[in-house]
Amino acid sequence: KQEVTQIPAALSVPEGENLVLNCSFTDSAIYNLQWFRQDPGKGLTSLLLIQSSQREQTSGRLNASLDKSSGRSTLYIAASQPGDSATYLCAVLYGNNRLAFGKGNQVVVIP
Amino acid sequence: GAVVSQHPSRVICKSGTSVKIECRSLDFQATTMFWYRQFPKQSLMLMATSNEGSKATYEQGVEKDKFLINHASLTLSTLTVTSAHPEDSSFYICSAREIAGVNEQFFGPGTRLTVL
Repeated sequence: KQEVTQIPAALSVPEGENLVLNCSFTDSAIYNLQWFRQDPGKGLTSLLLIQSSQREQTSGRLNASLDKSSGRSTLYIAASQPGDSATYLCAVLYGNNRLAFGKGNQVVVIP
Repeated sequence: GAVVSQHPSRVICKSGTSVKIECRSLDFQATTMFWYRQFPKQSLMLMATSNEGSKATYEQGVEKDKFLINHASLTLSTLTVTSAHPEDSSFYICSAREIAGVNEQFFGPGTRLTVL
């Protein structure tokens, strides 16, 4: 069974600092890995999707890396802003099109 | 593109009643739709996978008679919570996968169910 762990569970950073969020998964046989943003009481917003053959994806201030062999992914958010405050979820697609989610990194950016 | 809607966004019902939640893919056809539930500060847990025109596949521990799923068309799947109880109160999120996609699921905005 695929298990996804996200560390740290929660963090607060002052505005302007870079954010580093970590995700690990137990089974390296994945199709892809995706990072989502979730605001309180809301659905999921897809941020980045990395195919299993790729090592990273970038979108604006966001960069996600994937090391499939070690079962790790890192989401970097440069120059954090208060609007980046949210929960960030990591999910891996594996097996029979199953998505396994971590519990999330809850981020607060302090103005 | 790739927009998924859910209706209703919030629902409050009395214990013992049934509630239906709709999930629609608005601008693409989805052979497969997925239903998840999320408890506060927990990750999303897959409940079931539904394929258009066939019976849903439920995850272990999910009662198929309690959570009825119907995937009647390529753009609509419904989840009915039957005889709801307070422990069914949760956030329910659906996702849809395009017929010819890159194995990416597109998520709806979620439905907050509160059972009194």
